[in-house]
Amino acid sequence: SQQGEEDPQALSIQEGENATMNCSYKTSINNLQWYRQNSGRGLVHLILIRSNEREKHSGRLRVTLDTSKKSSSLLITASRAADTASYFCATTWGPNTGNQFYFGTGTSLTVIP
Amino acid sequence: EPEVTQTPSHQVTQMGQEVILRCVPISNHLYFYWYRQILGQKVEFLVSFYNNEISEKSEIFDDQFSVERPDGSNFTLKIRSTKLEDSAMYFCASRMRGSSYEQYFGPGTRLTVT
Repeated sequence: SQQGEEDPQALSIQEGENATMNCSYKTSINNLQWYRQNSGRGLVHLILIRSNEREKHSGRLRVTLDTSKKSSSLLITASRAADTASYFCATTWGPNTGNQFYFGTGTSLTVIP
Repeated sequence: EPEVTQTPSHQVTQMGQEVILRCVPISNHLYFYWYRQILGQKVEFLVSFYNNEISEKSEIFDDQFSVERPDGSNFTLKIRSTKLEDSAMYFCASRMRGSSYEQYFGPGTRLTVT
């Protein structure tokens, strides 16, 4: 299975602290994307990192990709209570597919005010 | 900012009934997808659709499921005879052509089969 797997499964931090979530996958990828899902809601795209990129920033988000280890990390700096959500990595792979996503089980982040 | 929309937000149906879930993808997108998420579980791919035909489908997408783009704007998922285990959140997504583009997800339709 190509599915990504995030760890930790759950993370609880104080507001202002940094949160780091990791994702591992099994085969080569085209790109890897991180999504946020608030409880019972849809998936919000956060950031995309291509297979030839190693690091990417967007606001308080920093994503790294290590294709040799088949892993990625998402760092949220200076966390806020509003960052409380589940975070998923999703991978796409294969040259001739419709580039469907394979999602991991997610990391549930709780930011305590 | 353009967004993917889905209707209805919540659908309750009886086992054995047919349901149609509707999605309006972003207008210049070319690939369309349906995913589902059973409560507390991961998001699972169902089907992708490009150039008016299915390009990929998962094992979940059996003969009870079908997709259609009837009028160039809507993208529908039909479940012919719903089962209790079809209860889930169903997400539509779309993206532009090219593997480097993000998939944009709709807010989902919560399907409850009783």
